[in-house]
Amino acid sequence: QQQVKQSPQSLIVQKGGISIINCAYENTAFDYFPWYQQFPGKGPALLIAIRPDVSEKKEGRFTISFNKSAKQFSLHIMDSQPGDSATYFCAALGAHNNDMRFGAGTRLTVKP
Amino acid sequence: DADVTQTPRNRITKTGKRIMLECSQTKGHDRMYWYRQDPGLGLRLIYYSFDVKDINKGEISDGYSVSRQAQAKFSLSLESAIPNQTALYFCATSKGGGQDEQFFGPGTRLTVL
Repeated sequence: QQQVKQSPQSLIVQKGGISIINCAYENTAFDYFPWYQQFPGKGPALLIAIRPDVSEKKEGRFTISFNKSAKQFSLHIMDSQPGDSATYFCAALGAHNNDMRFGAGTRLTVKP
Repeated sequence: DADVTQTPRNRITKTGKRIMLECSQTKGHDRMYWYRQDPGLGLRLIYYSFDVKDINKGEISDGYSVSRQAQAKFSLSLESAIPNQTALYFCATSKGGGQDEQFFGPGTRLTVL
């Protein structure tokens, strides 16, 4: 049973558009919500992360929006570029649980 | 030089064989993890270790064992490989102490025939 549900499975966006990937979780003990980016043949790398004391975090073109009451968080990629084409994973970790739970992943393709 | 290295990068083996995947890190992190990645399932934690004397099961530990030989080395073993263990395996490290970012190696693609 997946504790973190991610959608969509795949996403195609035009260059310059906004990419939005959504995740939902059940376990209210989670208190760290990272997004990882993975290119083919590489390991995942941390893109941006948020803790539930804030509702939004922005780093360059990447923004996490966090809704604690709905138990949902999302990644927004503004001005999407072909170089952003990758697989994105959301994840969640609890303060007293060392088992990071990942979403199933979203394959993003940004068309030039 | 890569901070987290994995060997081998690719391995094809037969059902019933014993396989060891190795991970080394130069980040000086205490915490190390083994994950497997399957299409449509994301990454799932197999085992993790917070120091040399600490080994813990993750979500899917059945059929796997690990050894933490030193702070920098963490190996994953499949005692008797089966085809449904065909997957991409990743080692990761983290600093701990409230710093939760995990740093992943390049992965090992394992195929069990």
